[in-house]
Amino acid sequence: AQSVAQPEDQVNVAEGNPLTVKCTYSVSGNPYLFWYVQYPNRGLQFLLKYITGDNLVKGSYGFEAEFNKSQTSFHLKKPSALVSDSALYFCAVLTDSWGKLQFGAGTQVVVTP
Amino acid sequence: DSGVTQTPKHLITATGQRVTLRCSPRSGDLSVYWYQQSLDQGLQFLIQYYNGEERAKGNILERFSAQQFPDLHSELNLSSLELGDSALYFCASSTLSGTVNTEAFFGQGTRLTVV
Repeated sequence: AQSVAQPEDQVNVAEGNPLTVKCTYSVSGNPYLFWYVQYPNRGLQFLLKYITGDNLVKGSYGFEAEFNKSQTSFHLKKPSALVSDSALYFCAVLTDSWGKLQFGAGTQVVVTP
Repeated sequence: DSGVTQTPKHLITATGQRVTLRCSPRSGDLSVYWYQQSLDQGLQFLIQYYNGEERAKGNILERFSAQQFPDLHSELNLSSLELGDSALYFCASSTLSGTVNTEAFFGQGTRLTVV
């Protein structure tokens, strides 16, 4: 079965510092991986996806993610965090060709001024 | 704005009642997905429709049902409600199924509170 794990419930970072949100995956076959963000009282917003190709994927709002096959990881990164990046971040994996997603438990990011 | 519209935004109802949640997908999207977000279960896939037909089922209770209409909007029906059904219910849509190169766009959700 396809699954992802987010090992950290919460990540705290000071504004201006690099932000990393971790995700590891377990899949049979090729992994199709996604990151979504949920701001308070909002729906999930798509950030980026890895389907194939370059291991470094660039997404919205200055976020990028690095796909690492040997470590089965897909960590989300931002070089310089903003207070407005404080939100709940979800890693997800595609479980079938019809678009069904399996989400991780989510990581709460808190960026302090 | 993702283009996916869910109504109502909030719903408070009593145990044993029945409610209907509505979703209008992005223009042109044929696939609609329903997810449930709760504190103890996280984000769980419930059911998917593609162009009016059910395509996949997840952890959806027998008390819950859904359908997708010819105009592609979808409704999720929740009956005999229990306190544990209180959650945020998301609808998502995507352009194509049968391909991995599409992402799903989510609505803002309906927050259901069962009292």
